[in-house]
Amino acid sequence: EAAVTQSPRNKVAVTGGKVTLSCNQTNNHNNMYWYRQDTGHGLRLIHYSYGAGSTEKGDIPDGYKASRPSQENFSLILELATPSQTSVYFCASGEGGGGWEQYFGPGTRLTVL
Amino acid sequence: TQTVSQSDAHVTVFEGDSVELRCNYSYGGSIYLSWYIQHHGHGLQFLLKYYSGNPVVQGVNGFEAEFSKSDSSFHLRKASVHWSDSAVYFCAVSAGNSNNRIFFGDGTQLVVKP
Repeated sequence: EAAVTQSPRNKVAVTGGKVTLSCNQTNNHNNMYWYRQDTGHGLRLIHYSYGAGSTEKGDIPDGYKASRPSQENFSLILELATPSQTSVYFCASGEGGGGWEQYFGPGTRLTVL
Repeated sequence: TQTVSQSDAHVTVFEGDSVELRCNYSYGGSIYLSWYIQHHGHGLQFLLKYYSGNPVVQGVNGFEAEFSKSDSSFHLRKASVHWSDSAVYFCAVSAGNSNNRIFFGDGTQLVVKP
């Protein structure tokens, strides 16, 4: 059974629209992460969370918000989507002092037209 | 800040060959090192890790990695690759004061030809 799931798996949005990407984990990990992956940039951290109610900015937070309403769920919100946010988004969960072992979801392919 | 460098963007080998994927890091303190694998269309999967002790660590599917403090390296190796090993491999570093963050390299695309 997949321990980190993401929905939707594919999404087409219009410029200026609101997009919510959802992530659920059954690992009971405190830490959760949102990354985007683009050719030539590898993985870039957008937001992360230490637990329910907490969100922290990663390296590229502009244009994104995050919400962690529970241990299991972590959402990424694009209030006003732009074509530059077309990408593949990965959610991950992790535990440990350095957060060095993370478990990834299958990814969401987002296209903003 | 920790940084990690993977010098080879692409590596092509034949089935049965050995392979070494290179990873170098920069950080002055205690460091956690790991490797991840990403098959096309999937998320990353944890492969192996090192923090202390024996510098050679074993992972799944015959992969191993060797830590070298003097070279600031953590190279991944496999003695005999299979076509199913074709994937992108990411080296990652983290430190105790990194607020639970991992810093990933840009990845190495490994292609195994039959």
